Amino acid sequence: NAGVMQNPRHLVRRRGQEARLRCSPMKGHSHVYWYRQLPEEGLKFMVYLQKENIIDESGMPKERFSAEFPKEGPSILRIQQVVRGDSAAYFCASSLTTGFSYEQYFGPGTRLTVT
Amino acid sequence: DAKTTQPTSMDCAEGRAANLPCNHSTISGNEYVYWYRQIHSQGPQYIIHGLKNNETNEMASLIITEDRKSSTLILPHATLRDTAVYYCIVSRTGANNLFFGTGTRLTVIP
Repeated sequence: NAGVMQNPRHLVRRRGQEARLRCSPMKGHSHVYWYRQLPEEGLKFMVYLQKENIIDESGMPKERFSAEFPKEGPSILRIQQVVRGDSAAYFCASSLTTGFSYEQYFGPGTRLTVT
Repeated sequence: DAKTTQPTSMDCAEGRAANLPCNHSTISGNEYVYWYRQIHSQGPQYIIHGLKNNETNEMASLIITEDRKSSTLILPHATLRDTAVYYCIVSRTGANNLFFGTGTRLTVIP
């Protein structure tokens, strides 16, 4: 059973460009979470999605950031007009359910560098 | 979600048990204790979780005090590959996200 997959693993963008980060959850998982980790800090929650629905985006910056999880295909985290402060590791996680105690399985992350 | 307090760093000799403490004095009745770890540059890895009973799996044991205000993660025979940042997280049933604090940086020494 393949784990959570993220691509690309490394992404370099110039200021003002767009960044698209992809996440394929574990097979059978329909809950996806995105986290951001700045250097030397813990992970910070950004958004929680189920298929075709954003459930909780309380951690998402109000501008330039968006996320989707379409019926078919991977979840996408999109950052428009990137700035240097967006440089971070972005981790995606998936879970089977949230109804009871559960564990989240994390992908290897995408390291975004904005030059 | 309740806040947790962990030591910033710990060392452990290879082959010995690593005992990582966590205080969560404001934990609520419906909140679970989760432990994750993050090996350098990798995604966090789930280790174990519990509500009030002690738990054990192939990776570790989790000891939760009777009043649930603190817990200890035990790695019974630490190896060099256990060197990582360990996060103690308290989260209620059905919470949408996990709050990762700064964790404990465990260094296993040969």
